[in-house]
Amino acid sequence: SQKIEQNSEALNIQEGKTATLTCNYTNYSPAYLQWYRQDPGRGPVFLLLIRENEKEKRKERLKVTFDTTLKQSLFHITASQPADSATYLCALVDSSYKLIFGSGTRLLVRP
Amino acid sequence: GAGVSQSPSNKVTEKGKDVELRCDPISGHTALYWYRQSLGQGLEFLIYFQGNSAPDKSGLPSDRFSAERTGGSVSTLTIQRTQQEDSAVYLCASSLAGLLTATVYNEQFFGPGTRLTVL
Repeated sequence: SQKIEQNSEALNIQEGKTATLTCNYTNYSPAYLQWYRQDPGRGPVFLLLIRENEKEKRKERLKVTFDTTLKQSLFHITASQPADSATYLCALVDSSYKLIFGSGTRLLVRP
Repeated sequence: GAGVSQSPSNKVTEKGKDVELRCDPISGHTALYWYRQSLGQGLEFLIYFQGNSAPDKSGLPSDRFSAERTGGSVSTLTIQRTQQEDSAVYLCASSLAGLLTATVYNEQFFGPGTRLTVL
């Protein structure tokens, strides 16, 4: 069956460290994958998109990698700050061009 | 407007009642999406409107759910004879163009959601 999985346990890190979040998928061949940030009581906000022919994408302190062989994307936040605390969702586009979302991983950055 | 708006922000209803949830997309956006998010879960796709094309209703969980988009703008999601399992946050998103737009990616802009509680 098709699945998109993110670690359901919260990631708790110290300010200044690099946060790394994982997104794994099975039985999909997405043309692209995206990462969103969601704060409590709010809708998700788009952060980054990475296409299947791209290995890595960067935006300020954010970096996303996409390994289509491992069927995995990693999302990194360098020099993390307490304001980065939120839930981060990965989403991929399926064969009918709909976005399929993971359940998200909560990140807590301690001051 | 500045972004996608949804109303009401919260809705409490009794089991068996009908509810209507409203979404106002960003002006000029041709694509509109409805998702459902249950506690601790990811977003579940419900329905997708693209311009004047027939909507993709493949995510609607039952025939109690329906949605309309009038004049290519405002959308209403209707849930008839609500059940307790319908309790969730219903999110609407819009994008400049739809999912099938060649190689141009269209970012989805989300509204704040409507929290529905069925007692």
